[in-house]
Amino acid sequence: KNEVEQSPQNLTAQEGEFITINCSYSVGISALHWLQQHPGGGIVSLFMLSSGKKKHGRLIATINIQEKHSSLHITASHPRDSAVYICAVQTGGGADGLTFGKGTHLIIQP
Amino acid sequence: DAMVIQNPRYQVTQFGKPVTLSCSQTLNHNVMYWYQQKSSQAPKLLFHYYDKDFNNEADTPDNFQSRRPNTSFCFLDIRSPGLGDAAMYLCATSREGGNPYEQYFGPGTRLTVT
Repeated sequence: KNEVEQSPQNLTAQEGEFITINCSYSVGISALHWLQQHPGGGIVSLFMLSSGKKKHGRLIATINIQEKHSSLHITASHPRDSAVYICAVQTGGGADGLTFGKGTHLIIQP
Repeated sequence: DAMVIQNPRYQVTQFGKPVTLSCSQTLNHNVMYWYQQKSSQAPKLLFHYYDKDFNNEADTPDNFQSRRPNTSFCFLDIRSPGLGDAAMYLCATSREGGNPYEQYFGPGTRLTVT
């Protein structure tokens, strides 16, 4: 079973700061997902990646398969980025469900 | 524009009274998942349907059942809810095409057991 660890668990930063959230996993994966969850429950998929790096607006996700590690970066952070960011992995085939980390609770203060 | 719809958003049921949660999707995806997320915990996969094939996780209690009458709809039935079943229930979908498959999540149903 894959163990997914995220750090930090909680992060409070000032608007404009560069944010980094880390994720490590224990077993080789087919894909890693970064998800965003706002208060109230809804989850939005930010990235799905199996190698290299992806960028979408101010968000950047990287993964190092050899080190079993991924990072999510937020540049020029804004209070609307405040949310829980969750790392989740797929270990098996394409239709397999996700194994989730516990999430990082991010608060961006104005 | 909602693509994965869950009803109701909030459900209150009594201890031991059966309850059904609903998920529907307009994406025509062939895979549908149910996850349980308890307070301050990570979501946990309960089961998923690949087309009509039901895939139960080994540690999902027998109290939890699911039905998928057609591609668009999937139901989560809790036969005798206990206080420990209070949680957010998340439905997600994905489709074939490449490996792995990106998952699309609904807004969740928050279940309270009294």
